[in-house]
Amino acid sequence: AQKITQTQPGMFVQEKEAVTLDCTYDTSDPSYGLFWYKQPSSGEMIFLIYQGSYDQQNATEGRYSLNFQKARKSANLVISASQLGDSAMYFCAMRDNNYGQNFVFGPGTRLSVLP
Amino acid sequence: GAGVSQSPSNKVTEKGKDVELRCDPISGHTALYWYRQSLGQGLEFLIYFQGNSAPDKSGLPSDRFSAERTGGSVSTLTIQRTQQEDSAVYLCASSLTASGISYEQYFGPGTRLTVT
Repeated sequence: AQKITQTQPGMFVQEKEAVTLDCTYDTSDPSYGLFWYKQPSSGEMIFLIYQGSYDQQNATEGRYSLNFQKARKSANLVISASQLGDSAMYFCAMRDNNYGQNFVFGPGTRLSVLP
Repeated sequence: GAGVSQSPSNKVTEKGKDVELRCDPISGHTALYWYRQSLGQGLEFLIYFQGNSAPDKSGLPSDRFSAERTGGSVSTLTIQRTQQEDSAVYLCASSLTASGISYEQYFGPGTRLTVT
């Protein structure tokens, strides 16, 4: 069965610094997708970034990048130049064909950006 | 274009009453998902509809919970004989699937259910 682990319940980072949010996953399917979502206090879920298992390069989207280490089954989210508006819950999720293309979410990491 | 919409945005009900929560997915999205999120917690998967396939109901917590999706579009989540522990935000999401796994989910704003 698939599983997503996010070992950091809470993280603090100083404004303008970079922060890494950890995510490890487990799947037996060689083809899978990894997603990161942000949920601010307003409650909306915002898609941030996607990494495919066959992608040769790490995904990047603006200040977000994904440190994808396939052999270690980790897909850590890196946020550069943190902003106060980055304070939110961050969820890592995976989708593969073993589970009918359903999504599996991790428990989330609460990031607090300090001024 | 229009995103995923959910109604009502807030629902307060008395214990023991039935409630219906509605989700309108993005047009053309074949997959639809329901999740429950208690305050400060992660997402609890409830049910997943994929095209015309039988839904994956493995996340429904009890037989008081049911969901249907009519015409491959709108979905209704029904909770019968509500209990106080049902109080949570219920999130709906939709996604393109076809044969691809790269499509992200788009989430609705959620329905906050309070059972008194």
